Amino acid sequence: NAGVMQNPRHLVRRRGQEARLRCSPMKGHSHVYWYRQLPEEGLKFMVYLQKENIIDESGMPKERFSAEFPKEGPSILRIQQVVRGDSAAYFCASSPGATMGSPLHFGNGTRLTVT
Amino acid sequence: DQQVKQNSPSLSVQEGRISILNCDYTNSMFDYFLWYKKYPAEGPTFLISISSIKDKNEDGRFTVFLNKSAKHLSLHIVPSQPGDSAVYFCAASSYGQNFVFGPGTRLSVLP
Repeated sequence: NAGVMQNPRHLVRRRGQEARLRCSPMKGHSHVYWYRQLPEEGLKFMVYLQKENIIDESGMPKERFSAEFPKEGPSILRIQQVVRGDSAAYFCASSPGATMGSPLHFGNGTRLTVT
Repeated sequence: DQQVKQNSPSLSVQEGRISILNCDYTNSMFDYFLWYKKYPAEGPTFLISISSIKDKNEDGRFTVFLNKSAKHLSLHIVPSQPGDSAVYFCAASSYGQNFVFGPGTRLSVLP
């Protein structure tokens, strides 16, 4: 039973390029969360999605960042025109739904480096 | 505004002794609390959780205690083992939705 799969594990982009991070949730999970971890900091919530719906994007920067979770395929976190400050580890987590007692299960993250 | 706080950035414990990691929260709407463990270059791994209707949950060497009136929870690991050395994150949610994480505590278990 595959866990949460994130790819790529490492991504290097030059300033101004686009970064696309992919997340396939655990089988049977319909809810996806994205978190960002800056060096020496904790996990900061970015966005919470269901299939084809954004439930909560209160943690997403207003510009350059977007996320989707289409009916078919993985969830995508897109960062346009990357800057050095976007360098971080981006973690995806999934859960079966908004019911108490269901912990989040995390992938191993994508480490984005902006040069 | 940090809704979940872990005031100790690091903790060192001797192997075989008890490790106690603390967490405080401010949002009284939180009703589900979790602890995660994270090794370098890996994602956080779920350890143990507790709902607000309980004050204690135990799983092997790990026990979580919840004091709702103080808005405080703690994770006890006993006996501590060198493999427990990792960063531990406390997290909280309300109605199974948005999960808020604390900044983490780095635990070092010394042999």
